[in-house]
Amino acid sequence: QLHLQESGPGLVKPSETLSLSCTVSGGSVGSSSYQWGWFRQPPGKGLEWIGSVYYTGTTYNNPSLKSRLSMSVDTSKNQFSLELTSVSAADTAVYYCARGPQNPYSSGWLDYWGQGNLVTVSS
Amino acid sequence: SYVLTQPPSVSVAPGQTARITCGGDNIGRKSVHWYQQKPGQAPVMVVYDDTDRPSGIPERFSGSNFGGTATLTITRVEAGDEADYHCQVWDGSSVAYVFGTGTRVTVL
Repeated sequence: QLHLQESGPGLVKPSETLSLSCTVSGGSVGSSSYQWGWFRQPPGKGLEWIGSVYYTGTTYNNPSLKSRLSMSVDTSKNQFSLELTSVSAADTAVYYCARGPQNPYSSGWLDYWGQGNLVTVSS
Repeated sequence: SYVLTQPPSVSVAPGQTARITCGGDNIGRKSVHWYQQKPGQAPVMVVYDDTDRPSGIPERFSGSNFGGTATLTITRVEAGDEADYHCQVWDGSSVAYVFGTGTRVTVL
């Protein structure tokens, strides 16, 4: 059974960088069959896609976040990571990692999700 | 960018049928996926590719996508089905995962 677990700080100061990691167990981030995504959900609101990364390091980004976003994969640690720079209160949300198919154009489901990591942006 | 529209809320009595709709431009040309999210928990996929159910999801959950609307149907509704439900597609034009606005299902 695949398991994803987010880790990172729960509090980040405005203008600083938000960094999160997602550790995968029961499967490999190095698999060519999947991509690995980041999503977020502000309190009381809907889900938003942040970006996705392949084991090759290729990324797809939400255009609204692209200029502040960096993602990477570390196959040696079986992890993938997110960095979001210059955060503000609008970035306060529960951040989730999830697995999607290698080719979302054929079917872009998200079958396994982490439990979520609440990140609050506040001084 | 592509937009998916859902009703904010649906109320249903136990044992009855709940239908949650998801509308979008030419949605019939896309594969629609549905997620259940209970308070304080991560989303769980309950239907994928319009009509398929992941293993472990009860047959009471079913999906359709025709006539310009995708629909998640929950038959014989139970108290444990009370949750937010989100539809989702991959939009190839904008190269993005897109989620609906979410529907809260309340079991009366």
